Amino acid sequence: GAVVSQHPSRVICKSGTSVKIECRSLDFQATTMFWYRQFPKQSLMLMATSNEGSKATYEQGVEKDKFLINHASLTLSTLTVTSAHPEDSSFYICSASPGLAMNEQFFGPGTRLTVL
Amino acid sequence: AQSVAQPEDQVNVAEGNPLTVKCTYSVSGNPYLFWYVQYPNRGLQFLLKYITGDNLVKGSYGFEAEFNKSQTSFHLKKPSALVSDSALYFCAVRDQAGTALIFGKGTTLSVSS
Repeated sequence: GAVVSQHPSRVICKSGTSVKIECRSLDFQATTMFWYRQFPKQSLMLMATSNEGSKATYEQGVEKDKFLINHASLTLSTLTVTSAHPEDSSFYICSASPGLAMNEQFFGPGTRLTVL
Repeated sequence: AQSVAQPEDQVNVAEGNPLTVKCTYSVSGNPYLFWYVQYPNRGLQFLLKYITGDNLVKGSYGFEAEFNKSQTSFHLKKPSALVSDSALYFCAVRDQAGTALIFGKGTTLSVSS
């Protein structure tokens, strides 16, 4: 199946700093990528839908100025957590789909963010 | 609005016994239904999907799921559980291209030896 990578897999940062997470589709082009957040033993909560070449669409309650999303190419989307605080600590997962509704989304391995 | 319900937080089953993980959905149009599995601190792995056609869908690792339109259900099943099947299972739905999957809350499957 298609492969989606995420980098870094784990990051620890100080409160107030910014962290960038990369999501890449390695063997297919993804017009749309998705960013999810997952708390321990809970479901994935959609944060935003990222479309190549345009602004991301954020879900209700997600601060777009805090979670900056850029989708500069068909294979790369980035999520930047700005001025991170301990409550931003979470597991962030991206996914990408070749585009058709019938196609499954392929998920990255996730990034564990810990803000001290 | 789309939604997915997984009524059980946890399912416990003995190794070798059949297992069922329940899922019901709500979507306005034709549903595209998916099951994913997640191991600790890992991303999601695709198990199977229903798009159209035969209501019984077979997927990875011996799992299968049955689409029931009248009951709006898509339960995950396996005839004989393995200890290695222990993980967190998510049911998901989407109704059109370009939209994100909407996930259920997840069901923890625990298979005892």
